[in-house]
Amino acid sequence: DAGVIQSPRHEVTEMGQEVTLRCKPISGHDYLFWYRQTMMRGLELLIYFNNNVPIDDSGMPEDRFSAKMPNASFSTLKIQPSEPRDSAVYFCASSRTDTVLAKNIQYFGAGTRLSVL
Amino acid sequence: KQEVTQIPAALSVPEGENLVLNCSFTDSAIYNLQWFRQDPGKGLTSLLLIQSSQREQTSGRLNASLDKSSGRSTLYIAASQPGDSATYLCAVGPSNDYKLSFGAGTTVTVRA
Repeated sequence: DAGVIQSPRHEVTEMGQEVTLRCKPISGHDYLFWYRQTMMRGLELLIYFNNNVPIDDSGMPEDRFSAKMPNASFSTLKIQPSEPRDSAVYFCASSRTDTVLAKNIQYFGAGTRLSVL
Repeated sequence: KQEVTQIPAALSVPEGENLVLNCSFTDSAIYNLQWFRQDPGKGLTSLLLIQSSQREQTSGRLNASLDKSSGRSTLYIAASQPGDSATYLCAVGPSNDYKLSFGAGTTVTVRA
């Protein structure tokens, strides 16, 4: 398997523009997580899905952020409108829960580095 | 709210020296604890996972211990190599869901 695939790897945009980040989880994984990493706040969980259904979105900072998972192989994180303070690295991770050992082992994508000017 | 602290924030050692990385957490009601490695510009890679009922886990040169009662975990890397240079993060998983709480990480530099 190619692992968790995120696109784009880098995104530079201007304040006020809409930004869409994409993630393809590992095939067969039933959990998908979106994280944000900054120097100031470290790694924060934004939202996670189980079987395509959002389970906990309490980490989503504002209504400007939204996430969807239309099917088991694709998820998006959208920021509209974007602001400079949204600049960060956004990671997607997936995991499976078919075994006790597999539970909680999350596989991370390479991340999307977002710069909002 | 679970708070995870990693000290030191950065560490530089000569090649061959053993590494000791520390992680502490405030709420001992955890399901498991993981150690991750992050290389610059890359995602996180899980190194070791310790279930709450375990005291330690080993993989090659890596050994992680867990003391739930004191809220501490230690990652030992034996005979460090320049390829071990990276940021190491610990994360604790609660009993009731999948929300991992991460420490800020320790950035390790192994000098050749």
